[in-house]
Amino acid sequence: AQSVAQPEDQVNVAEGNPLTVKCTYSVSGNPYLFWYVQYPNRGLQFLLKYITGDNLVKGSYGFEAEFNKSQTSFHLKKPSALVSDSALYFCAVRDGGSGGYQKVTFGTGTKLQVIP
Amino acid sequence: DGGITQSPKYLFRKEGQNVTLSCEQNLNHDAMYWYRQDPGQGLRLIYYSQIVNDFQKGDIAEGYSVSREKKESFPLTVTSAQKNPTAFYLCASSISGAAYEQYFGPGTRLTVT
Repeated sequence: AQSVAQPEDQVNVAEGNPLTVKCTYSVSGNPYLFWYVQYPNRGLQFLLKYITGDNLVKGSYGFEAEFNKSQTSFHLKKPSALVSDSALYFCAVRDGGSGGYQKVTFGTGTKLQVIP
Repeated sequence: DGGITQSPKYLFRKEGQNVTLSCEQNLNHDAMYWYRQDPGQGLRLIYYSQIVNDFQKGDIAEGYSVSREKKESFPLTVTSAQKNPTAFYLCASSISGAAYEQYFGPGTRLTVT
């Protein structure tokens, strides 16, 4: 069974500082990895994904994530945090290794609080 | 303006009543999904559909039903058999295939008393 772990329920960072939101995964086949962001009482918005290729993936709003196969991690990063980045962040994994429908497994989410 | 819409945004029902949540997309996506979100639990899959007139149960389908008569529409009915229906419900759609991200609607918050 596949799984995603987001070990921190909340991350606090000062505005202008770099931020990291952690994600580790477990999947039997090739991992397809996604990050989404959710603002209060809204749906999720796609930020970026890793399917194959370069381990460093760049996405929307200046976010990037690094795929590390040996550590089975896909941490979300941003060089300089903005107050407007404060939101709930979800990591998700899908098994890309076989045919047919592959379900998406979401982590439990990490609340990012950027302090002015 | 392309996207996925859900209505209503807030819904209140008495216990014992069935209620239907609407989800419409104009992205021409084949795949559609329903998720339930509870605090601290992430998203849990209720039902999904990969093509019109076909749908499959997800992880927590008991007490829910769906239909997929049109490509654009994937309504969810929360029946009186659902033991704890109060939650935030999210509809999503995507291009078929594991490599494609999902597009989410704004959600419907259902409160059953």
